[in-house]
Amino acid sequence: QVQLHESGPGLVKPSETLSLTCSVSGYSITRGYYWDWIRQSPGRGLEWIGRIYHRGTTSYNPAFQSRVTISVDTSKNQFSLKKTSVTAADTAVYYCARSPRETGIFEYWGQGMLVTVSS
Amino acid sequence: DIQMTQSPSSLSASVGDRVTLTCRASQSSSNHVNWYQQKPGKAPDLLIYAAYHLQSGVPSRFSGSGSGTDFTLSISSLEPEDFATYYCQQSHDVPYTFGQGTKVEI
Repeated sequence: QVQLHESGPGLVKPSETLSLTCSVSGYSITRGYYWDWIRQSPGRGLEWIGRIYHRGTTSYNPAFQSRVTISVDTSKNQFSLKKTSVTAADTAVYYCARSPRETGIFEYWGQGMLVTVSS
Repeated sequence: DIQMTQSPSSLSASVGDRVTLTCRASQSSSNHVNWYQQKPGKAPDLLIYAAYHLQSGVPSRFSGSGSGTDFTLSISSLEPEDFATYYCQQSHDVPYTFGQGTKVEI
């Protein structure tokens, strides 16, 4: 059973960097699939942020690209999201997810983590 | 970006009703549209992928159809656990985008 679990600070100050990690269990990241970050907020709904393949290939939503980095640590079976210079508009529930190949079909999701941007 | 527009934004129904939710893409998405169910405080769950393929474990009362720009999700006979918010999502082109959701209420 594939399980994903987000972790990281739940509160980030404006202009600082948001950092989240997704731990994967029940499946080795190195076996394939793409690993995605998605966020959800009342004002913007569900937004796809970007994805990474276990070999490090990434693809980003242009709306986030300049301030987002997704990386993978295969030794820990984890992948991560960093977003710099956050504002209150980045307050959202952040999800990690898995999609087969480059299909963009999100078949497994983490439970989600609320990140609040506030001083 | 491809915009996904869902209608209605909410609907009221009863157990046993048949309901149909619609989703329109701003440009052709072939059959690359997926549907998710979300309950409060939970992550979305994949119901239908590639317009009409039922995800493993999803009850057969759920069905999807459509191609190009117009898609539908149907629930043949509502069960109590089906009251939730439903989202369509296009996976035709990056960036992937979601509709704003349809809330199915009792």
